[in-house]
Amino acid sequence: QKEVEQDPGPLSVPEGAIVSLNCTYSNSAFQYFMWYRQYSRKGPELLMYTYSSGNKEDGRFTAQVDKSSKYISLFIRDSQPSDSATYLCAMSLSGSARQLTFGSGTQLTVLP
Amino acid sequence: NAGVTQTPKFQVLKTGQSMTLQCAQDMNHNSMYWYRQDPGMGLRLIYYSASEGTTDKGEVPNGYNVSRLNKREFSLRLESAAPSQTSVYFCASSWLGENTEAFFGQGTRLTVV
Repeated sequence: QKEVEQDPGPLSVPEGAIVSLNCTYSNSAFQYFMWYRQYSRKGPELLMYTYSSGNKEDGRFTAQVDKSSKYISLFIRDSQPSDSATYLCAMSLSGSARQLTFGSGTQLTVLP
Repeated sequence: NAGVTQTPKFQVLKTGQSMTLQCAQDMNHNSMYWYRQDPGMGLRLIYYSASEGTTDKGEVPNGYNVSRLNKREFSLRLESAAPSQTSVYFCASSWLGENTEAFFGQGTRLTVV
């Protein structure tokens, strides 16, 4: 069993839809949770960063962490074609970049 | 400000050939990393360098060597390439310590035939 599981998709939604992306994990010691966005043929870039349980909002994006269920989510409101990318969840024990454990990524397409 | 720059962007090797992937960052970061990305596997850490002069193995180091040439540059060497090393390779850098963001390069697509 992988330490971090992520539905690979692909996920296709119409413009303006609410998108929900999810990851589950097995290591209860993870404290820091991240979402990276990766456009085609590009490197990942950090989108959201949260510590422990709770919600964090940044514009149209909301990251949610439920440590009791070992489940994290990224919600995208009013999705745009420019949101089309692969979304990778990542998590670590200490927040150090050298300890990141990544999910396999979910490929999202937002149709105009 | 270029961030993290990787060369080459694409490479085809024959089994048994060697090559070095180059990475340079201009953000004055202490730490640098090499990852590989394979379908369905996510990003996996090959080697990292916490600071200039140090290197350590990551999750999948077999078949690779690294050199931290100076604070800016971190290279990854394949001594005898194998088809299993066909992958997309990403270099990243960050500040040393906790609660730090990793900045990634654009990747090198390597095919070993």
